[in-house]
Amino acid sequence: EVQLLESGGGLVQPGGSLRLSCATSGFIFSNYAMSWVRQAPGKGLEWVSSITNNGDRTAYADSVKGRFTISRDPSKNTLHLQMYSLRAEDTAVYYCAKDVGEVRWNFDYWGQGTLVTVSS
Amino acid sequence: EIVLTQSPATLSLSPGERATLSCRASQSISIYLAWYQQKVGRAPRLLIYDASTRATGIPARFSGSGSGTDFTLTISGLEPEDSAVYYCQQRSTWPLTFGGGTKVEIK
Repeated sequence: EVQLLESGGGLVQPGGSLRLSCATSGFIFSNYAMSWVRQAPGKGLEWVSSITNNGDRTAYADSVKGRFTISRDPSKNTLHLQMYSLRAEDTAVYYCAKDVGEVRWNFDYWGQGTLVTVSS
Repeated sequence: EIVLTQSPATLSLSPGERATLSCRASQSISIYLAWYQQKVGRAPRLLIYDASTRATGIPARFSGSGSGTDFTLTISGLEPEDSAVYYCQQRSTWPLTFGGGTKVEIK
């Protein structure tokens, strides 16, 4: 059974940092691209960042480019999102999502989400 | 950036009826469109990818069609558990983008 479990969310002050993790199981982690998608309270879905199955390519939304870094640890089957210079508009539930394939950029499994709140 | 416009914003139908949801892209995206269902308080679920391919375990009452800029998700024979917000997503061009969603209400 495919499982994705996010952690690391919480309350942080504007300008602060946070590192999200997504522990995965039930599939061959190195075979699939992974992504982060967020959802602000009461709003729609927003793609944040993606990484290829072997980690050689990454992509970011303009709204987070230069502030967020996506990475993956194949030894622990874990995806990370390092977030710096956080802003109020980064407040959202952050989902990690597994790709349908190696690099297809559609998401067939999602975690339950972790809430990040940026506020003073 | 490719903008996806979903319509209508809300659809209110009775069980057994057919729901037709639209997603229009600001430029051609070939068939690279997916549909997701999100119920309240839950993570999204992939329904359809590449415009018309049903994801694993998705009931046959969900079907997708379209190419280029105009796409449709059809739910034939609505069931009470289909009450949710439905989002489209394109993977043709970076950045990946989602539509604003269509809320389906079951009367």
